[in-house]
Amino acid sequence: AQSVTQLGSHVSVSEGALVLLRCNYSSSVPPYLFWYVQYPNQGLQLLLKYTTGATLVKGINGFEAEFKKSETSFHLTKPSAHMSDAAEYFCAVSDPYSSASKIIFGSGTRLSIRP
Amino acid sequence: DAGVIQSPRHEVTEMGQEVTLRCKPISGHDYLFWYRQTMMRGLELLIYFNNNVPIDDSGMPEDRFSAKMPNASFSTLKIQPSEPRDSAVYFCASSSGQGFQLYNEQFFGPGTRLTVL
Repeated sequence: AQSVTQLGSHVSVSEGALVLLRCNYSSSVPPYLFWYVQYPNQGLQLLLKYTTGATLVKGINGFEAEFKKSETSFHLTKPSAHMSDAAEYFCAVSDPYSSASKIIFGSGTRLSIRP
Repeated sequence: DAGVIQSPRHEVTEMGQEVTLRCKPISGHDYLFWYRQTMMRGLELLIYFNNNVPIDDSGMPEDRFSAKMPNASFSTLKIQPSEPRDSAVYFCASSSGQGFQLYNEQFFGPGTRLTVL
């Protein structure tokens, strides 16, 4: 069975500081990995995804994540936080070999940005 | 593309009433998902369909909840009778399993905020 663990339900950084949101996964097969973002009062939208190939994945709004198989991690980073980055972020995993299209979501990390 | 469409966006009802939430997936997508989001429990998968057939309803909390997908462009989630603890935001999402590679990316609707008094 697959699972995702997001470390820290709430992260607060200053504007301009590095953003680091942690995600560890458990999967018996090479997974597909995702980061979704949810802005207040909106649905989730895809930020970036890792399927195969290059382990460093770049997404929208300057975010990127690196797939590290040895560490079973897929941490999300952004070099310089902006006030508009304040949102909830969900890490997710899926099994690309499954006939089902089910994604397992983590519990989410709320990112706050201090002026 | 209009994206996933959900209606209503907000629903306020009284305990015991029937509630029906509606979803129109992205055209061509063959998977449809219903999620519930609360502060206490986070994002929970309730049920999902493939080609209009329910595949996994293990997340449906109890018999008061039911979901249907009569055709590829419409799905409903019904709660009967509703209870205050059903208050949450309900999301519908769709994805495509077509093609050699299953990217499994899900596209979410804006959600329905349900309040049961």
